[in-house]
Amino acid sequence: DTGVSQNPRHKITKRGQNVTFRCDPISEHNRLYWYRQTLGQGPEFLTYFQNEAQLEKSRLLSDRFSAERPKGSFSTLEIQRTEQGDSAMYLCASSPWGSGTNTEAFFGQGTRLTVV
Amino acid sequence: AQSVSQHNHHVILSEAASLELGCNYSYGGTVNLFWYVQYPGQHLQLLLKYFSGDPLVKGIKGFEAEFIKSKFSFNLRKPSVQWSDTAEYFCAVNAPGTYKYIFGTGTRLKVLA
Repeated sequence: DTGVSQNPRHKITKRGQNVTFRCDPISEHNRLYWYRQTLGQGPEFLTYFQNEAQLEKSRLLSDRFSAERPKGSFSTLEIQRTEQGDSAMYLCASSPWGSGTNTEAFFGQGTRLTVV
Repeated sequence: AQSVSQHNHHVILSEAASLELGCNYSYGGTVNLFWYVQYPGQHLQLLLKYFSGDPLVKGIKGFEAEFIKSKFSFNLRKPSVQWSDTAEYFCAVNAPGTYKYIFGTGTRLKVLA
């Protein structure tokens, strides 16, 4: 399967614990995005990487959230001291990038986080 | 700031009925427009996209959308829906040269067999 891969698919954690999610984008896709989706809402942008550089973070991303893409390939999203309001589906997407290229984002199946 | 509005939150249709889902965006410049679909238990998949050219774009599974610049709209249509079209549909916008895709809140379509 050459699509965007996310692990784990489901995570249940106790409030206050830290969690980390992994995203493997489509090979050679320079752009990587993290989105969050809650029930009844569309995906909300969290952050964006171009290669290893994190170029934008949404105001939705509090200081408990951190994302990395150390070698410009896979990415991790960590949530520290989880709260019940963090319960959501966390989506990763990737897209190719090149000068003048218009393209769509390719999404993974997401990691569903439940904070109890 | 860019935003996307989908006015129909839930739509119920019988098989063979025609479908039109509304999408309006607020952005003054040139935009790229997308419709994504999410079938139950599956990831978001691209239905169709508009970058430039013919404002009537055709996508997969018989879907089409029309970009009307003067109305800031990109409505999704299908002449005859099938039970298998039951899914959630999301409109999204992206400005060329930027990177964020801004999504609407989605429309949940249920097709009755």
